[in-house]
Amino acid sequence: AQKITQTQPGMFVQEKEAVTLDCTYDTSDPSYGLFWYKQPSSGEMIFLIYQGSYDQQNATEGRYSLNFQKARKSANLVISASQLGDSAMYFCAMRQRDDKIIFGKGTRLHILP
Amino acid sequence: AAGVIQSPRHLIKEKRETATLKCYPIPRHDTVYWYQQGPGQDPQFLISFYEKMQSDKGSIPDRFSAQQFSDYHSELNMSSLELGDSALYFCASSPGQGINTEAFFGQGTRLTVV
Repeated sequence: AQKITQTQPGMFVQEKEAVTLDCTYDTSDPSYGLFWYKQPSSGEMIFLIYQGSYDQQNATEGRYSLNFQKARKSANLVISASQLGDSAMYFCAMRQRDDKIIFGKGTRLHILP
Repeated sequence: AAGVIQSPRHLIKEKRETATLKCYPIPRHDTVYWYQQGPGQDPQFLISFYEKMQSDKGSIPDRFSAQQFSDYHSELNMSSLELGDSALYFCASSPGQGINTEAFFGQGTRLTVV
C-alpha cells in the first residue's frame, strides 16, 4: 500500500538559514508524482513543488527545491534562505495511477527571528 | 492566475442539518478532488471526479454525496450533520488524471457543526 512518512513533527530554524524537510514514500508502482504543500495558520493549502517519478532532474521553484532520491524513496524539500513567512505546516504528498493524492502527517516549521 | 474557488469559506450548521459546499476548478481543469482535514490532522481523501464521472472514492460517509457538473464545478452535499463532521474541507483540481500533473487546492471551507 502506498504511504508517505514525514518523521519531523516540528522544526525550529533560524531566519536566513536553509532547512530540509524530510519525506519518504512507499509504493510498488514505478509511476507516481510527488508534491509538497504549505499550509499556513490561515488554513489554505498552497502548492509549492512537484516531482514526477520519471523526471531526471530535481525540481526547483524559486527558494524551494526537491531532493529526489528515487532508490531511497526519498523526496525531501529544501528551503533556502528561510524567511519568517515560511513558518507553516508542510505536507508531502504522492499521487499514483489510481489518481487520489495521499498526504503525510506534516511537519510544522517555525522560523525564528 | 485563476485559482480554485471554494464557497462558502466558513459555514456553521447545527447537528442533523444539511450543508452544500461548492468548488470551482481552475479553467480547463477537468479533475476535481475533495478532502476533509480535521483539526491537527492531514487531509483525508473523500472522492474525486474526472470529466464529470466519479473516478475514485475514499473514506466518504454514506451521508455525503458529490457530483461534478457540465461546467466542471463540483458540489459536496452533506446530510444529517454530526459534530465530528466539523473540519476544513478542501477541493483540488488538476488538468487530467495523469500522475504527471500538478494539483492545486482551494482555500477550503471551514465547516463547524454545533
